[in-house]
Amino acid sequence: QKEVEQDPGPLSVPEGAIVSLNCTYSNSAFQYFMWYRQYSRKGPELLMYTYSSGNKEDGRFTAQVDKSSKYISLFIRDSQPSDSATYLCAMSANSGNTPLVFGKGTRLSVIA
Amino acid sequence: GAVVSQHPSRVICKSGTSVKIECRSLDFQATTMFWYRQFPKKSLMLMATSNEGSKATYEQGVEKDKFLINHASLTLSTLTVTSAHPEDSSFYICSARVFSGRAGGELFFGEGSRLTVL
Repeated sequence: QKEVEQDPGPLSVPEGAIVSLNCTYSNSAFQYFMWYRQYSRKGPELLMYTYSSGNKEDGRFTAQVDKSSKYISLFIRDSQPSDSATYLCAMSANSGNTPLVFGKGTRLSVIA
Repeated sequence: GAVVSQHPSRVICKSGTSVKIECRSLDFQATTMFWYRQFPKKSLMLMATSNEGSKATYEQGVEKDKFLINHASLTLSTLTVTSAHPEDSSFYICSARVFSGRAGGELFFGEGSRLTVL
């Protein structure tokens, strides 16, 4: 089993839809969780950062972490065509300078 | 958020030449930077961890003599692709973790450098 599993999609939704993106993981030591958005030919952009379990909201984006289920989610409300990108989850067990473990990314297309 | 700047954003070179990519942390000091490689429509592949003032740590399967990493200061890491060949054509991205009070630190990425070897 891979450390982080993420459905690669592609996921296509109409404009205005609620999008749910998910990752599962196997390492119970993970406690730092991030979501990145990557547009084509660009570096990933940090969207959300969550420590331990719980929810975090920022505008149209909500990140959820359920450590008991080893499951994290990113919700996008009122999706826009500009949200079309690849979304990567990433996580780490350590607070030091160690690499994050990334999911493979989910390609999202929001159709106008 | 913190800014990581990468240069050049695009480079085209002839086979056999060497190419240097710079990664700078603009508003913070980065003792460690991470270099990734990404093929089209694929996920990020960690190549190496660059440590200021010491040797980089390479991931398994990454040729250290091929991909030279230098981290001479707290704000600059460089990746040199030596004797580049067409199979080295890829998107190279650097990143650094910022510890600004948030537990664990956040990882920020540069804009990426697209290398095309003819």
